[in-house]
Amino acid sequence: AQKVTQAQTEISVVEKEDVTLDCVYETRDTTYYLFWYKQPPSGELVFLIRRNSFDEQNEISGRYSWNFQKSTSSFNFTITASQVVDSAVYFCALRAGTYKYIFGTGTRLKVLA
Amino acid sequence: GAVVSQHPSWVICKSGTSVKIECRSLDFQATTMFWYRQFPKQSLMLMATSNEGSKATYEQGVEKDKFLINHASLTLSTLTVTSAHPEDSSFYICSAGGYEKLFFGSGTQLSVL
Repeated sequence: AQKVTQAQTEISVVEKEDVTLDCVYETRDTTYYLFWYKQPPSGELVFLIRRNSFDEQNEISGRYSWNFQKSTSSFNFTITASQVVDSAVYFCALRAGTYKYIFGTGTRLKVLA
Repeated sequence: GAVVSQHPSWVICKSGTSVKIECRSLDFQATTMFWYRQFPKQSLMLMATSNEGSKATYEQGVEKDKFLINHASLTLSTLTVTSAHPEDSSFYICSAGGYEKLFFGSGTQLSVL
């Protein structure tokens, strides 16, 4: 079975704090893709990153960074020096074997000024 | 800019009427599009896969006769909610793209009175 778990339902931080959003996945496939999407209040999902199962290198993009660890089946997302504009719901997703994306339940991030 | 356009953004209708939602790929041809449903503060649930020129593939539990999908061209898929009822009120999101990346529309908030 394929599954994505985002245990954190909601996180509140004060602006400029760092915050890590957790994502744990399950799949028996050896080839798969992991994604993070951001859903601001407007509703549209914005693509943030894709990682394939053969690439365990961590990635940094500005204030965003991702830590992919196959040993723990985790693909965590860290925002450094958070800003109010980062407030949104963040979804982790898995795609393996088929065309279907399996989404986690999302983490609602609130960044307070 | 957006590569998937979805209209309308929101619609209010009376119970028993039908509502059509359009999803267009703007810069590419999409032989496959996906329709998701999202309840408040919940994750995205795949409803169906829209296939250009053929019948849509529905997920288990999704009523084919209630949620009619038409994918008549390589850039347009439509979802028609027939005989809508208050329980059909939800946020509907379409997406298109390849195995490595999905682009999402801005979503349609449907409210059935």
